[in-house]
Amino acid sequence: AQSVSQHNHHVILSEAASLELGCNYSYGGTVNLFWYVQYPGQHLQLLLKYFSGDPLVKGIKGFEAEFIKSKFSFNLRKPSVQWSDTAEYFCAVTSSGGSYIPTFGRGTSLIVHP
Amino acid sequence: DVKVTQSSRYLVKRTGEKVFLECVQDMDHENMFWYRQDPGLGLRLIYFSYDVKMKEKGDIPEGYSVSREKKERFSLILESASTNQTSMYLCASTPGVTSTDTQYFGPGTRLTVL
Repeated sequence: AQSVSQHNHHVILSEAASLELGCNYSYGGTVNLFWYVQYPGQHLQLLLKYFSGDPLVKGIKGFEAEFIKSKFSFNLRKPSVQWSDTAEYFCAVTSSGGSYIPTFGRGTSLIVHP
Repeated sequence: DVKVTQSSRYLVKRTGEKVFLECVQDMDHENMFWYRQDPGLGLRLIYFSYDVKMKEKGDIPEGYSVSREKKERFSLILESASTNQTSMYLCASTPGVTSTDTQYFGPGTRLTVL
């Protein structure tokens, strides 16, 4: 069975600080990786996803994530956060050729102070 | 844009009541899902459905049932609500059964059971 671990449960930053949220998965086969974001009072929505090709994936609002297969990681990054990035962030994984049902991490709550 | 709607944003019920949560998607998606979201636990899958009248148990189906009589509608039923079912309930849909599919979420229903 696959699992996802998000190491940072709560992150507090000031505006303009750099962000990196950790995500590690456990699964021996080929995976597809997702980051979803839930802004206060809004729907969960896709931020970015990786399924093949360039391991550096760019998403909406200046976010990017890098798939490092050897480390089973898919960390989310943003060079300079804004107050509007305050949200909850979820990493998820599906297995290619296996279950299409995603496994979600427990989420990271990000608060950005203006 | 895909739209997933849920019948209520907030719901307050009493222990032992039968509770219906409804979800409707407007993009002819094959798959629909019910999750519950609890702080520190992330998203946990309750049930999913890959076709009309078909349903599969997720990770935490106990105390819940579902109904999918029409493709666009997926209902979650709490047969006898209990206080430990107080939670945020999220509905989602995906176009097909491909592991790279994005999940499209509804706004959530925050259920309180007294």
